[in-house]
Amino acid sequence: DQQVKQNSPSLSVQEGRISILNCDYTNSMFDYFLWYKKYPAEGPTFLISISSIKDKNEDGRFTVFLNKSAKHLSLHIVPSQPGDSAVYFCAASAETGTYKYIFGTGTRLKVLA
Amino acid sequence: NAGVTQTPKFRVLKTGQSMTLLCAQDMNHEYMYWYRQDPGMGLRLIHYSVGEGTTAKGEVPDGYNVSRLKKQNFLLGLESAAPSQTSVYFCASTVTGGNIQYFGAGTRLSVL
Repeated sequence: DQQVKQNSPSLSVQEGRISILNCDYTNSMFDYFLWYKKYPAEGPTFLISISSIKDKNEDGRFTVFLNKSAKHLSLHIVPSQPGDSAVYFCAASAETGTYKYIFGTGTRLKVLA
Repeated sequence: NAGVTQTPKFRVLKTGQSMTLLCAQDMNHEYMYWYRQDPGMGLRLIHYSVGEGTTAKGEVPDGYNVSRLKKQNFLLGLESAAPSQTSVYFCASTVTGGNIQYFGAGTRLSVL
């Protein structure tokens, strides 16, 4: 049972346009969400996070939106750059104190120059 | 600054062989984790540790053992490797009270 789902395995976007990566979850107890970016042959690196008490968090070109009623979060990248080409994982946690996260399956973003 | 270092980077094993993957972090983090990444499956938690001398099972612990004898090191052992354990293994760490995990570069393991 996949509690965190990223239904789009891949996404291609033109440079300068907006990239929107989506993530759905099933566990209403999840209270903290993160996005990680992963380049080939490297480990995931933290990108941006959001607590369930917020519906939006912004950091430069990256914005994460959380819709608790729909159990849906999205990552917006504006404007997209070729260096953003990577695999993006969303992760969610309901176990404060252990910091155990459930990861989605990832979306491969390709930004075309 | 090294961060989280995993050794080895690559390994090929025959079925039934044993090996230990080493994770070392130099950030004085209390929490450490082992994940495996398989195609179409995302990252799945194998075992984790909330401090020196403590370990706990994650989502997919069968076939693996771990030890945290020193705060900076977290070892993942495969006693009798199986082809189903072919995967990329990632180690991560985080501070107490922190949500951000810092990952190593991964170990690619093939079991033939």
